[in-house]
Amino acid sequence: DAGITQSPRHKVTETGTPVTLRCHQTENHRYMYWYRQDPGHGLRLIHYSYGVKDTDKGEVSDGYSVSRSKTEDFLLTLESATSSQTSVYFCAISLDSNSPLHFGNGTRLTVT
Amino acid sequence: GNSVTQMEGPVTLSEEAFLTINCTYTATGYPSLFWYVQYPGEGLQLLLKATKADDKGSNKGFEATYRKETTSFHLEKGSVQVSDSAVYFCALSDLDTGRRALTFGSGTRLQVQP
Repeated sequence: DAGITQSPRHKVTETGTPVTLRCHQTENHRYMYWYRQDPGHGLRLIHYSYGVKDTDKGEVSDGYSVSRSKTEDFLLTLESATSSQTSVYFCAISLDSNSPLHFGNGTRLTVT
Repeated sequence: GNSVTQMEGPVTLSEEAFLTINCTYTATGYPSLFWYVQYPGEGLQLLLKATKADDKGSNKGFEATYRKETTSFHLEKGSVQVSDSAVYFCALSDLDTGRRALTFGSGTRLQVQP
């Protein structure tokens, strides 16, 4: 398995609170991604990073921000969580822009 | 923009039955195509891929052929097992759009009964 660790694995939080999810990799891959998975929608890209301090928006980036200060860590922050952000969040990594993605095991976030 | 359309599930089969999961795509360039599989409680794993027209990807008895003329990448397996029960995602990667990430279909759940 690719060395990808997501933390926490489960989180319950209240509407309006800030939440940060962490993705840590030990593969030294350049690209890192955050997706959310919802029934009927498959996986949708939130943000991705193509290097330290280099990030770009995906198709569902509103309400989310990211940071990548080190190659191995990619943080996803919900500044003020809403119930619509209840989802399973997956981090993925890839060696380059056309290589297969390797996924972490996901973080289940519930916003009440 | 790019999009991937998969058949809705769940698909329920008996063990040793033939499997087809349909996938069609819309892309502006010449995408690479992928099938990923997700087992319960886990992240997605790459099952197979094809990078150009008429390529056939294969792995673990699963196959899919990149058909440019029909913009399709259907997943097939000749004889399914209970252990194949999972959710299957079709995806594409199209660098021509500048998007350096995969676009996924909505997933198809496969249930194989003994």
